[in-house]
Amino acid sequence: DSGVTQTPKHLITATGQRVTLRCSPRSGDLSVYWYQQSLDQGLQFLIQYYNGEERAKGNILERFSAQQFPDLHSELNLSSLELGDSALYFCASSLSSAAATNEKLFFGSGTQLSVL
Amino acid sequence: GESVGLHLPTLSVQEGDNSIINCAYSNSASDYFIWYKQESGKGPQFIIDIRSNMDKRQGQRVTVLLNKTVKHLSLQIAATQPGDSAVYFCAENTGTASKLTFGTGTRLQVTL
Repeated sequence: DSGVTQTPKHLITATGQRVTLRCSPRSGDLSVYWYQQSLDQGLQFLIQYYNGEERAKGNILERFSAQQFPDLHSELNLSSLELGDSALYFCASSLSSAAATNEKLFFGSGTQLSVL
Repeated sequence: GESVGLHLPTLSVQEGDNSIINCAYSNSASDYFIWYKQESGKGPQFIIDIRSNMDKRQGQRVTVLLNKTVKHLSLQIAATQPGDSAVYFCAENTGTASKLTFGTGTRLQVTL
C-alpha cells in the first residue's frame, strides 16, 4: 500500500459530462501529481500541485483542471468528456516540491474512467 | 489500476530463470532513471533507480544497468518468481520529478 488514496476506483459516464477524481496524498507529502494512462500509452504527466499551488503543467487539456486543497488532498476535474478521455488516471505524491531530480513518487491505485 | 488493456511487448520467463527487461530512453540530457512495477489493479511501484554517473546498481534480486552511449537501460530480475508478473516501466528524468517521462512498458509473464 503506497499510502496514496484515490476515489472512485471506477467511473462510467457519458460523453459531454463532467467528473471529479479525488486523491489523498501520503501523510506528510506536500506535492500531488496527476497522470493519465490510456491504451498504447505510457504514463502521461498532466499536472503537479505543491502545497496548494500549481507547480508544473504537462499535457493537460484545457477541458481538464485540478486543484489542491488546504488539507492537501487534490481533485482532478474533467469536463466535456470525450470517448478518448477513457483512461486510467493516477495520482502520485511526493514529500516536497520535487526540486530534486530524484524525488520519489508514490502512486495511488488509480481511477478507471470509461466514457461511453 | 488495471493495465491489462495496454498493448505492450511481452516477455515470458520461466519461474526461477533470470529476466532482462530493456528500455531505450530518448533524452541524452536525462540524469536520473527509475524502474517501476505495475501489478494488476495497482499503481506503479518504485523498484530501483540509478543516476547517470553510474552504470550499474543492485538491489534485492534486481539490477539496473545504464549504457549512456546508446541510451539504453535494462532491468535484470534474478530467479524470477510468479509475484514478479507485472508491467515494468522505465522512466527518465531531466529535471524535477514533474519532468519524469515514462516509457511504454513491458509485460513480464512468469510461467510455472
